[in-house]
Amino acid sequence: TQLLEQSPQFLSIQEGENLTVYCNSSSVFSSLQWYRQEPGEGPVLLVTVVTGGEVKKLKRLTFQFGDARKDSSLHITAAQPGDTGLYLCAGVKAAGNKLTFGGGTRVLVKP
Amino acid sequence: SAVISQKPSRDICQRGTSLTIQCQVDSQVTMMFWYRQQPGQSLTLIATANQGSEATYESGFVIDKFPISRPNLTFSTLTVSNMSPEDSSIYLCSFRRGDSLNTEAFFGQGTRLTVV
Repeated sequence: TQLLEQSPQFLSIQEGENLTVYCNSSSVFSSLQWYRQEPGEGPVLLVTVVTGGEVKKLKRLTFQFGDARKDSSLHITAAQPGDTGLYLCAGVKAAGNKLTFGGGTRVLVKP
Repeated sequence: SAVISQKPSRDICQRGTSLTIQCQVDSQVTMMFWYRQQPGQSLTLIATANQGSEATYESGFVIDKFPISRPNLTFSTLTVSNMSPEDSSIYLCSFRRGDSLNTEAFFGQGTRLTVV
């Protein structure tokens, strides 16, 4: 059982559509990070959210941290083929603790 | 930006043999991490490697199977010993420059291991 549950596991959409990926836990996390990984590469950090209720925007990507700091979402507007990849959420329970990764969501954006 | 180099990028190995994966960082870091990942799936932490001390292994991973070396603050190796087909996976090294709540993790490009 993973501490961080991501849904869906796989998402296939057409270019221009919107998508949302969810990351949920029964535990409180002090911070949550989102990474994207492309085939043959390691994950790369997209964003870190620290405050409950926080919303961060990165161009067409919007990240939200739940008020109770137990969940997060990633929303992509007008998805492009370049958004294709494996999206991973990762949480830290307290400073000095290791990262705990969610199960991952594979996103495929078809042209 | 940080540079972390991992090699080999891929290998096909016979069962019963061992493979050592190397990870080089372009600056000194205190802790390095080794992960295992099935393609398209999440990362599972194998162990944390501190320079000058024995690595700390996660539940389900043991030193005899995955010995780790950390000879200095820029380099680490992970050995997959006495391999079986179940060890086929992607192995990644990683580091974080600090341990605050928003510290970024950097990853090597991974080693795709196939055991036949």
